[in-house]
Amino acid sequence: QVQLQQWGAGLLKPSETLSLSCAVYGGTFSGYFWNWIRQTSGKGLEWIGEINDSGSTTYNPSLKSRVTISVDTSKNQFYLKLRSVTAADTAVYYCARGLENDISKDFWGHGTLVTVS
Amino acid sequence: SYELTQPPSVSVSPGQTAVITCSGDKLGDKYTCWYQQKPGQAPVLVIYQDKMRPFGIPERFSGSNSGNTATLTIRGTQVMDEAYYYCQAWDSFVVFGGGTKLTVL
Repeated sequence: QVQLQQWGAGLLKPSETLSLSCAVYGGTFSGYFWNWIRQTSGKGLEWIGEINDSGSTTYNPSLKSRVTISVDTSKNQFYLKLRSVTAADTAVYYCARGLENDISKDFWGHGTLVTVS
Repeated sequence: SYELTQPPSVSVSPGQTAVITCSGDKLGDKYTCWYQQKPGQAPVLVIYQDKMRPFGIPERFSGSNSGNTATLTIRGTQVMDEAYYYCQAWDSFVVFGGGTKLTVL
């Protein structure tokens, strides 16, 4: 069974950089897209971006200027950095697996609450 | 940017059929998937590629997509199905609907 385990700092000050990590257990890392998605109470689910095992990335245009997603295939891990955070970035952040030939996300991490205050 | 519109809430009695819609421009030309999310939990994929059920999802969950509307149907709705449901599509990038709270009472 595939499991995604995520971690990172939960409390940030405005202008700091959000950093989250996600480790993949129980499945192959290659052949999938690895996603970051966030959820705010006001805006619901918002896709941040994705990366594949080759390091090819796609970002949400609304966040692209502040986001970097990277991958370490030797550790089966991928990462999110979001720069210059504000209170509007307060959300639960999820990592999730996406299929190479489909738009859906079939396995999700448990979520990390990040508060900017 | 592309938008997906869902009703904020749907109510159904146990054992009845729940229908949750998701509307978007020419949505039927795209694949849609659906997620179920219960309080304090991550979303769970219940329908992908418009109508396919992942392993372990009960047969009472079904989906369709045509024209401008995708539909999630839950037949014989159970109390355990009470949750938020989100549709998702792709138009240059991943887009989610605003979510529908399904109440079973």
